[in-house]
Amino acid sequence: GENVEQHPSTLSVQEGDSAVIKCTYSDSASNYFPWYKQELGKRPQLIIDIRSNVGEKKDQRIAVTLNKTAKHFSLHITETQPEDSAVYFCAASKAAGNKLTFGGGTRVLVKP
Amino acid sequence: GAVVSQHPSWVICKSGTSVKIECRSLDFQATTMFWYRQFPKQSLMLMATSNEGSKATYEQGVEKDKFLINHASLTLSTLTVTSAHPEDSSFYICSARGTSGRTEFFGPGTRLTVL
Repeated sequence: GENVEQHPSTLSVQEGDSAVIKCTYSDSASNYFPWYKQELGKRPQLIIDIRSNVGEKKDQRIAVTLNKTAKHFSLHITETQPEDSAVYFCAASKAAGNKLTFGGGTRVLVKP
Repeated sequence: GAVVSQHPSWVICKSGTSVKIECRSLDFQATTMFWYRQFPKQSLMLMATSNEGSKATYEQGVEKDKFLINHASLTLSTLTVTSAHPEDSSFYICSARGTSGRTEFFGPGTRLTVL
């Protein structure tokens, strides 16, 4: 089955700096890659997603890039703010209706 | 966005008792619902996939007789933890996917503590 690796497990950045989280996946048939943000004790919230027919997608301070050949995708957060502190999860799935496989998560701390 | 609710938000029970958790999609029809378990500082681990009107598909290592899942309607799925033990204590989260897309919307989670 699919295996998703996520790095780093923790990331500490200064407010205003950029944060980058990287994920690799094993199944070349995967074609949908969402990113979720989870604050302590709360539900995961979808922040951005990308499909395999697109190499990059941006939404304000958040961007995701996808390299299908290398089977990796990354989340970029620019101009980080303290409220960006949370755990971020990447995930991958194959055809519509298939389950998501999650990465191990990255705990991001933005220091004011 | 789509709203998914979960009830109860937390529950404490004695060892050996059963606990039912409800997951509802409030403003859309969820053809598929998923149940996850999340231990502290860990990722979401999929337990089972639930399709309306059919039996749930359990992930490897998840006991279907212990974690009973019912998806009787397009807006409701339930997870019953039978004969709960302290090692079942965890954060249980459901998610729902509608007919129109691939996005999963998560419920707020249920924190189960088994004494």
